[in-house]
Amino acid sequence: AQSVAQPEDQVNVAEGNPLTVKCTYSVSGNPYLFWYVQYPNRGLQFLLKYITGDNLVKGSYGFEAEFNKSQTSFHLKKPSALVSDSALYFCAVRALTGFQKLVFGTGTRLLVSP
Amino acid sequence: EPEVTQTPSHQVTQMGQEVILRCVPISNHLYFYWYRQILGQKVEFLVSFYNNEISEKSEIFDDQFSVERPDGSNFTLKIRSTKLEDSAMYFCASSEDFNYGYTFGSGTRLTVV
Repeated sequence: AQSVAQPEDQVNVAEGNPLTVKCTYSVSGNPYLFWYVQYPNRGLQFLLKYITGDNLVKGSYGFEAEFNKSQTSFHLKKPSALVSDSALYFCAVRALTGFQKLVFGTGTRLLVSP
Repeated sequence: EPEVTQTPSHQVTQMGQEVILRCVPISNHLYFYWYRQILGQKVEFLVSFYNNEISEKSEIFDDQFSVERPDGSNFTLKIRSTKLEDSAMYFCASSEDFNYGYTFGSGTRLTVV
């Protein structure tokens, strides 16, 4: 079965500093990986995805993620955090069977302080 | 940019009552999903729907749940007899093709009292 682990419940970073939100996955075969962001009382907004190709994927709002097959990781990064980046971030992997349902991690709350 | 629209944004219902959560997926999308998120917890898959039938469902999606695409534009989730533990945020999503990702609606917060 596919699974995703987000080892940190919360990440704290000062505005202007780089941020990393960690994600590791377990899947048979090639993974299709996604990051979503959720602001308070809002839905899930797509940030970026990895299907194939370059290991460094660029997404919305200046975020990027690096796919590392040997470490089975897909960490989300941003060179310079903004206070407005404070939100809940979910990593997700697409299942290989069925009609492409997403399996989500437990989420990481990012808190960017001024 | 096309959106997935969900109504209502918040619904309060008495335990044992039936509720219908409504979604309008993006018009050219072919795959439809319902997920739920109990407050502060992970997002869980409920059901996927393709070609007018359920293609996959989770253990959560028991006989109390049903989905329907009644008119080619709406996609509904019905809970026949709500329980307190059904209180959650319910997200609808649609996808044209998995290579293009999934678009989620803004959710319906269901509160069962």
